[in-house]
Amino acid sequence: DQQVKQNSPSLSVQEGRISILNCDYTNSMFDYFLWYKKYPAEGPTFLISISSIKDKNEDGRFTVFLNKSAKHLSLHIVPSQPGDSAVYFCAASIDRDDKIIFGKGTRLHILP
Amino acid sequence: NAGVTQTPKFRILKIGQSMTLQCAQDMNHNYMYWYRQDPGMGLKLIYYSVGAGITDKGEVPNGYNVSRSTTEDFPLRLELAAPSQTSVYFCASSFGTVGSYEQYFGPGTRLTVT
Repeated sequence: DQQVKQNSPSLSVQEGRISILNCDYTNSMFDYFLWYKKYPAEGPTFLISISSIKDKNEDGRFTVFLNKSAKHLSLHIVPSQPGDSAVYFCAASIDRDDKIIFGKGTRLHILP
Repeated sequence: NAGVTQTPKFRILKIGQSMTLQCAQDMNHNYMYWYRQDPGMGLKLIYYSVGAGITDKGEVPNGYNVSRSTTEDFPLRLELAAPSQTSVYFCASSFGTVGSYEQYFGPGTRLTVT
């Protein structure tokens, strides 16, 4: 049973436009959410996180929105750049727990 | 700082062989993790450690063993390799509880079992 779901395997966005990556979760105990970015042949790298006490967190071009009632979060990238082409993983954890649960990832293609 | 390093980068094993995947970190992190990523799937936790001498099972531990004798090193042992263990293996480390701190990942080891 998948607790963290990324239902779009891939997404193509024009350079300069907004990219929106979505993530749904089923476990209401999750209270910390992270996004990781992964290039081919490299390990994932941390991008941005959000605690459940917030509904928005912003870091430069990246903003994560959390809708607890819908158990949904999204990552917005504005403006999208060619270097943003990568696989993005949504992840969730229960604070003070040792483990995080990853979604399957969404491959983002930024088109010139 | 090298961060998290993994060796080897690639390996082909025959069914029934065994091997050790090496992982080291130089960030003085207490927590270390081993994940596997199968094609089109997310990362699945195999084993993790909250400090030297302490290890615990993750979601998919069968067929693997770990040890943590030092803060820096966290090797993953595959005994009697099976085709189902064909995957990309990532080691990661973090300062403390995952809820508060992000994990830093190594570049991965691509393992094929034939």
